[in-house]
Amino acid sequence: AQTVTQSQPEMSVQEAETVTLSCTYDTSESDYYLFWYKQPPSRQMILVIRQEAYKQQNATENRFSVNFQKAAKSFSLKISDSQLGDAAMYFCAYNSGGFKTIFGAGTRLFVKA
Amino acid sequence: GAGVSQSPSNKVTEKGKDVELRCDPISGHTALYWYRQRLGQGLEFLIYFQGNSAPDKSGLPSDRFSAERTGESVSTLTIQRTQQEDSAVYLCASSYQGYEQYFGPGTRLTVT
Repeated sequence: AQTVTQSQPEMSVQEAETVTLSCTYDTSESDYYLFWYKQPPSRQMILVIRQEAYKQQNATENRFSVNFQKAAKSFSLKISDSQLGDAAMYFCAYNSGGFKTIFGAGTRLFVKA
Repeated sequence: GAGVSQSPSNKVTEKGKDVELRCDPISGHTALYWYRQRLGQGLEFLIYFQGNSAPDKSGLPSDRFSAERTGESVSTLTIQRTQQEDSAVYLCASSYQGYEQYFGPGTRLTVT
């Protein structure tokens, strides 16, 4: 069965610094999708970035980028130039192309001013 | 266009009462999902609907939980005889192709 593991329950970063959130997953599929979602205190889940497994190039969205290591089944999120508004829960998620998405347990990110 | 909406935003109910939570998905989205999120925890899958297919109810924790969806529109999640452990935020999401999910703001349910 597919699983998604986020081994860091909490992370902290200084404003303007860079932080990396870890995610590993387990699957026997060769084609799938990976996502990072952000859930701020307002609790509205927002899609931050997505990666298709068949693409070797790492996805980027402004200050957010991923390090996708398919062989290692690793999908980390890098946040550059951290801002106070980045403070939130971050969930890594996996989808094999069907309708069911598996979410990790989440990493709570604190941003220090 | 409008995003996923959920109502009510907050619901306080007494133990043993039934509650109905509503979700309006994004127009045109064929798939709709319900999740439960306990305080400080991750997402617990409850149920999803896809078009006219039979829903995947594999995540419903007990027979007190049920959900319906009318076509490809509104869905209601019903919890009968609520218990204190049902207190949580209930999140609804919809998707078009089943990959990216778009979430509503959630309903915070408190059972006293």
